[in-house]
Amino acid sequence: NAGVMQNPRHLVRRRGQEARLRCSPMKGHSHVYWYRQLPEEGLKFMVYLQKENIIDESGMPKERFSAEFPKEGPSILRIQQVVRGDSAAYFCASSPQRTPETEAFFGQGTRLTVV
Amino acid sequence: RKEVEQDPGPFNVPEGATVAFNCTYSNSASQSFFWYRQDCRKEPKLLMSVYSSGNEDGRFTAQLNRASQYISLLIRDSKLSDSATYLCVVNRDDKIIFGKGTRLHILP
Repeated sequence: NAGVMQNPRHLVRRRGQEARLRCSPMKGHSHVYWYRQLPEEGLKFMVYLQKENIIDESGMPKERFSAEFPKEGPSILRIQQVVRGDSAAYFCASSPQRTPETEAFFGQGTRLTVV
Repeated sequence: RKEVEQDPGPFNVPEGATVAFNCTYSNSASQSFFWYRQDCRKEPKLLMSVYSSGNEDGRFTAQLNRASQYISLLIRDSKLSDSATYLCVVNRDDKIIFGKGTRLHILP
């Protein structure tokens, strides 16, 4: 059973380009979370999705950022018109159900560098 | 005030010593509690869940005090391999909220 798979592991974009980050949850997991970690900072919640639904996007910046988790395929975090401040590690986690008592498993992250 | 606050680091501790991490959370609606470990440039991994009755896993002991909204982690007989950042994590309304983490360096 493969773990949470994120790709690409490293992504370099020029200012103004679009970044698309992918997350394939563990088999059987229908809940996905996205987090951003700035250098020397903790992980900041961005968005919580279930298949085809955004449950909580309270941590998402109001502009340029969007997320989806379609019925088929991976979850996508999309950043339009990237700026230098978007440079960070983006981690995805998945869990099999609502999480109060269950562990969330993390992918290895995508490190985005905006030049 | 941040929802989850941890001791500032780094902690530089000689091998074999006991290390204690403290964490407080501000929202009494928080439902479950965990300690995660994160190695440099890696993803966070669950170290242990934290229960009100306290729980132990080998050299690691975690405690939760709901009345004080306080969580602790104790590492006994620390090893070089314990060097990492330790993250206090609470779950509230299915949102997993991380503390900033405390960096631990075990010194040979």
